[in-house]
Amino acid sequence: AQKVTQAQTEISVVEKEDVTLDCVYETRDTTYYLFWYKQPPSGELVFLIRRNSFDEQNEISGRYSWNFQKSTSSFNFTITASQVVDSAVYFCALSGTLASGGSYIPTFGRGTSLIVHP
Amino acid sequence: DVKVTQSSRYLVKRTGEKVFLECVQDMDHENMFWYRQDPGLGLRLIYFSYDVKMKEKGDIPEGYSVSREKKERFSLILESASTNQTSMYLCASSLSTASGRTDTQYFGPGTRLTVL
Repeated sequence: AQKVTQAQTEISVVEKEDVTLDCVYETRDTTYYLFWYKQPPSGELVFLIRRNSFDEQNEISGRYSWNFQKSTSSFNFTITASQVVDSAVYFCALSGTLASGGSYIPTFGRGTSLIVHP
Repeated sequence: DVKVTQSSRYLVKRTGEKVFLECVQDMDHENMFWYRQDPGLGLRLIYFSYDVKMKEKGDIPEGYSVSREKKERFSLILESASTNQTSMYLCASSLSTASGRTDTQYFGPGTRLTVL
């Protein structure tokens, strides 16, 4: 069975600090996707990034960067120079667990709540 | 831009009522999902559908049913609402990849349901 672990339940930082959100996954698949989503206080989950299991290149998008390491089954997310607007719950997800009907169901971690204080 | 809409942002119902939550997506996605989100429990999958009239149970289907008569619309039904179904309900849609694995999910704004 697939599993996604976000060990950090809540992280609190002061604005301009760098922060890393950890994500560790378990899968027997050789082909899979990893995702990060952001859920701001408004409630709607917003897609941030998708990574293919064959592509271990790290990615940077502005203040956001992602470190994908298959050797440690991790897909960590770093925010550089955090801002108050980064305050949200962040979910890591893996696609997908094979369901009984033959479809694949995505697996989500429990989320990390990031609080950025001014 | 993909858009997923949900019929209500907030809903208050009484115990025993039949409740319908509607979700519509405009990007011709094959897959649609219903989740509930509770503090400390993350997202839990209730049901998903991979095609019109097709559905599969998720982790917590008890007390819920679904309907997908058209590709763009996926309804969640609480046959007889109970107080333990008070929660945030999130709908999502996605394409399927060639491997069958779920691609990026796009979420609606959520419906916060309170059952009194």
